[in-house]
Amino acid sequence: DAGVIQSPRHEVTEMGQEVTLRCKPISGHNSLFWYRQTMMRGLELLIYFNNNVPIDDSGMPEDRFSAKMPNASFSTLKIQPSEPRDSAVYFCASSFPGANEQYFGPGTRLTVT
Amino acid sequence: GDSVTQMEGPVTLSEEAFLTINCTYTATGYPSLFWYVQYPGEGLQLLLKATKADDKGSNKGFEATYRKETTSFHLEKGSVQVSDSAVYFCALSPSGSARQLTFGSGTQLTVLP
Repeated sequence: DAGVIQSPRHEVTEMGQEVTLRCKPISGHNSLFWYRQTMMRGLELLIYFNNNVPIDDSGMPEDRFSAKMPNASFSTLKIQPSEPRDSAVYFCASSFPGANEQYFGPGTRLTVT
Repeated sequence: GDSVTQMEGPVTLSEEAFLTINCTYTATGYPSLFWYVQYPGEGLQLLLKATKADDKGSNKGFEATYRKETTSFHLEKGSVQVSDSAVYFCALSPSGSARQLTFGSGTQLTVLP
């Protein structure tokens, strides 16, 4: 079975450019989570969706970040404009209805120069 | 709020040594507890979980017991292998309807042949 799919796996961009990260959750999962991982701050929850509806976006660092989930099989995380401090690995995770455990994708390593 | 505290790493062991990684938590009610493992360049993988007091989670030779009285969920393995080298994260999911995970800071384990 396919796990959580993220694209691209690596992204290098210049400061000021728009970046879009993509995620396809596991089929049948109804919750989706976006995390950011850095050496300094560890794993941070940015936002999560339940049944395609954003439930908690309190972890989104600022207005430059936005996330959408137009349907049950696709989500995007957009950064516009990007800044060097946004460099990190971004993970998407999903979970079954009623379950607590989350299944993570391989991550997108973002480098903003 | 909820929090997870892990022993600081890095931890370096010789192959076949005994492993303990300490994890304590602060939460109201009866959270579910997890250990996740992250191999280099990959996303987090669920290693084991426990959902109520005195439950023992186990997988791939790793074990952890949910201790309500000491609010702990220490990870143990009797004989580590080089392939166990990874970062290990302790996490909790609060009781109730919310399913966000709160992660510890991670413990880097290196096993030498």
